[in-house]
Amino acid sequence: ETGVTQTPRHLVMGMTNKKSLKCEQHLGHNAMYWYKQSAKKPLELMFVYNFKEQTENNSVPSRFSPECPNSSHLFLHLHTLQPEDSALYLCASSPTDSSGTYEQYFGPGTRLTVT
Amino acid sequence: ILNVEQSPQSLHVQEGDSTNFTCSFPSSNFYALHWYRWETAKSPEALFVMTLNGDEKKKGRISATLNTKEGYSYLYIKGSQPEDSATYLCAFAKSGAGSYQLTFGKGTKLSVIP
Repeated sequence: ETGVTQTPRHLVMGMTNKKSLKCEQHLGHNAMYWYKQSAKKPLELMFVYNFKEQTENNSVPSRFSPECPNSSHLFLHLHTLQPEDSALYLCASSPTDSSGTYEQYFGPGTRLTVT
Repeated sequence: ILNVEQSPQSLHVQEGDSTNFTCSFPSSNFYALHWYRWETAKSPEALFVMTLNGDEKKKGRISATLNTKEGYSYLYIKGSQPEDSATYLCAFAKSGAGSYQLTFGKGTKLSVIP
């Protein structure tokens, strides 16, 4: 399998549930990203990992907890979410060597609904 | 906070018409400007990454220009086709450490009417 994959594609969860989103990339990239896409808003960067190290946490509430066990896998652990967290969550990856343009490759996203 | 603005927010064009839209971004600390196309129910995919002032890139009927001094980029579509219907996103990369991190605009949603 090639590219960036995300599972599940759709998720409905209650506010007291705990769930995880998974992202996997087969492109040999060093950096992986979580974005949130809400209606009428631009893609919002949530977290960035470069070589498995978190380099950015964009003031994201602690009910979102990322995990990057290796450069190919990225998780987003969710617990006690709020209805306003309902959104499309996109994963992306990119190379980070300074000679490149850092073009990002996106997964298809997980559509999350919090009830 | 970096400000990346796109206009118009949406537009409808007839098949065969040519169209263009704008992305404005900070004119300081520029590293790169990205354009992505995002079709409904698909993943965003990269169209262009532009790094030099005056850059002009082309892919088929789609082209883009870049003015880093004044902080804008134009995306042009010649002879629009229904398959061009998508949201077009631009994203700004700042120079310095972390220049692989992008700030996105809200996008321009293009609908091409057959």
